[in-house]
Amino acid sequence: NAGVMQNPRHLVRRRGQEARLRCSPMKGHSHVYWYRQLPEEGLKFMVYLQKENIIDESGMPKERFSAEFPKEGPSILRIQQVVRGDSAAYFCASSPRGWSSNQPQHFGDGTRLSIL
Amino acid sequence: AQTVTQSQPEMSVQEAETVTLSCTYDTSESNYYLFWYKQPPSRQMILVIRQEAYKQQNATENRFSVNFQKAAKSFSLKISDSQLGDTAMYFCACDSNYQLIWGAGTKLIIKP
Repeated sequence: NAGVMQNPRHLVRRRGQEARLRCSPMKGHSHVYWYRQLPEEGLKFMVYLQKENIIDESGMPKERFSAEFPKEGPSILRIQQVVRGDSAAYFCASSPRGWSSNQPQHFGDGTRLSIL
Repeated sequence: AQTVTQSQPEMSVQEAETVTLSCTYDTSESNYYLFWYKQPPSRQMILVIRQEAYKQQNATENRFSVNFQKAAKSFSLKISDSQLGDTAMYFCACDSNYQLIWGAGTKLIIKP
């Protein structure tokens, strides 16, 4: 049973380009969470999605960032016109049903985004 | 706002020793879960142990155990018989509905 799959593992972009980060949740999981980890810091919540719905995007910058979780295919975190400050590790987690403390979030290995 | 505080940026111990990592938190939730995650140099995020707030019994997972003091809002992690493979960043986290609130982490180094 494959875990949460994120790709790419490493992504390098130049300032002004677009970055697309993909996350395939664990089989049977329909809830996805994105977190960002800056160097030497803990993770910060960005967005929570269910299939075709954004439940909470309060942690996501209002400009340049967007997320989706279509009916078919992986969840996508999209960063437009990237800047140096977007350099970070982006982690995706998934859970099987609506949030319940009884269902721990399972994390992917993260995508390291570097902006030149 | 909910917060999680890890006051030890870095710790190091000799192999086979016991080490305790501290964590305090603040939450207005009546029921919640607390977690310790490990992030080794490979930078994966691995769940080590979790504690349900309404359970008084401290959680244990092999060499890992917690000391959960609900009134003091303290949630420390004890690693017994430490091994070289335990070298990693350790993060304490508290759930707030669907968000996990994370501490800044403690870098643990196990010396041979």
